[in-house]
Amino acid sequence: GENVEQHPSTLSVQEGDSAVIKCTYSDSASNYFPWYKQELGKRPQLIIDIRSNVGEKKDQRIAVTLNKTAKHFSLHITETQPEDSAVYFCAASTLSGGYNKLIFGAGTRLAVHP
Amino acid sequence: NAGVTQTPKFQVLKTGQSMTLQCAQDMNHNSMYWYRQDPGMGLRLIYYSASEGTTDKGEVPNGYNVSRLNKREFSLRLESAAPSQTSVYFCASSEGGQGGTEAFFGQGTRLTVV
Repeated sequence: GENVEQHPSTLSVQEGDSAVIKCTYSDSASNYFPWYKQELGKRPQLIIDIRSNVGEKKDQRIAVTLNKTAKHFSLHITETQPEDSAVYFCAASTLSGGYNKLIFGAGTRLAVHP
Repeated sequence: NAGVTQTPKFQVLKTGQSMTLQCAQDMNHNSMYWYRQDPGMGLRLIYYSASEGTTDKGEVPNGYNVSRLNKREFSLRLESAAPSQTSVYFCASSEGGQGGTEAFFGQGTRLTVV
C-alpha cells in the first residue's frame, strides 16, 4: 500500500526566514498531494494542494513542488511569521480498488521564533 | 452548514468497554474517513468509505469496525477498548472521485482508555 514519509519531524526558524518540508511517496499511481496545517488543539485544514499533472503551485507565501519521477513533493513557506507555527502534514491520494484514499505523513512541527 | 460533526468530543473508557463514535457531514460528500492521531505518528487511516454502501480497511483497522449508515453518517465502533486505542480520532469527508479532492475534518474525539 501507499506509504508517505515526511521530513523533518521538527523545524525551528527565525521570523522572516524560509521553511521547507519534504515528503516522499511510494505509489507511483498517486495523483493528488494536499498539505494540511494543524494548530494546537484544532482540526487539520487544507492550505495548498497539487495534482500530478502540475509541477508547481503557489499561493502567496506558500508553494508546493512535485517531482513525479522521484516521487517527491515539498512545501515551501517564505517570510515566515509566528502564526505559521503549527504542525504540517503532507498526504498522497492513491487509488485502491477504484477509489481514492488519503494517506498522511507523520507531520512536521514548525516553530517560528520572533 | 456545519461541515463535519463528531460526537462525543471527549470520552474515557475502561478496558474492555465498547463505544461508538459518531460522524455526520452535510456537504453531500461521497467519501468518508476515520483517522487516529498519535504523537509523532501523524494521521493514520483506520477505515474509509468511498461511497455509500462501501467500506474498506485502512492502515490500522484492527480493533475497530465501521458502518456507513447513509450518505451523511459514518460511525466507528470499538468493541472491546484497549489502552493502545487511547488517541485522538478524526472523521473526515471529501467529494471523492478518482482525481482526489480536499478532505474536511471534524473537530476530533479525544478518547482515553484506562
